Amino acid sequence: KQEVTQIPAALSVPEGENLVLNCSFTDSAIYNLQWFRQDPGKGLTSLLLIQSSQREQTSGRLNASLDKSSGRSTLYIAASQPGDSATYLCAVSMDSSYKLIFGSGTRLLVRP
Amino acid sequence: DGGITQSPKYLFRKEGQNVTLSCEQNLNHDAMYWYRQDPGQGLRLIYYSQIVNDFQKGDIAEGYSVSREKKESFPLTVTSAQKNPTAFYLCASSMGIRDPNYGYTFGSGTRLTVV
Repeated sequence: KQEVTQIPAALSVPEGENLVLNCSFTDSAIYNLQWFRQDPGKGLTSLLLIQSSQREQTSGRLNASLDKSSGRSTLYIAASQPGDSATYLCAVSMDSSYKLIFGSGTRLLVRP
Repeated sequence: DGGITQSPKYLFRKEGQNVTLSCEQNLNHDAMYWYRQDPGQGLRLIYYSQIVNDFQKGDIAEGYSVSREKKESFPLTVTSAQKNPTAFYLCASSMGIRDPNYGYTFGSGTRLTVV
């Protein structure tokens, strides 16, 4: 059974710092991997989607990498801002049904 | 604007009562999903539907029911058989296999509380 783990559970950094959020999964036969952002009491916003054949995706200050063989993905946030404060969730899909298996998230606080 | 609308935002259920959560999308997405989120945890899949008039159980379907009579709508009923329904419920949609690069769109959620 696929399990997705995110470490750390919480992270507090000063503004301007570059940071890395980690996601690991136990079954490497994934279809794709997505990173989402969730603000308190809100729904999820899709940040980046990486297909199983891809190694990374970039959007603005965000870069997500995927290493299927080691069961890992990282989300790199450059020059962090207080507006980046949110919970970041990693999720994998195992087939074209697009059912997602989520990690429990990393709660990020960027201090001004 | 295209998107997913969930209603109500807050819902209170009495013991033994069935309640229905609404989810409507105007994105022309084929697939729709219901997830449950408990405090400090990730999301868990309740039900999903890849096409009208067809739906499948997810990991935690017991005590829930759904219907998919229209492409735009995927309501979730929380029945009295669900013993611990207090949670944040999120609906999502995707284009699925029609465009595998597209990804997911989520609604803003319904917070259900048992009183």
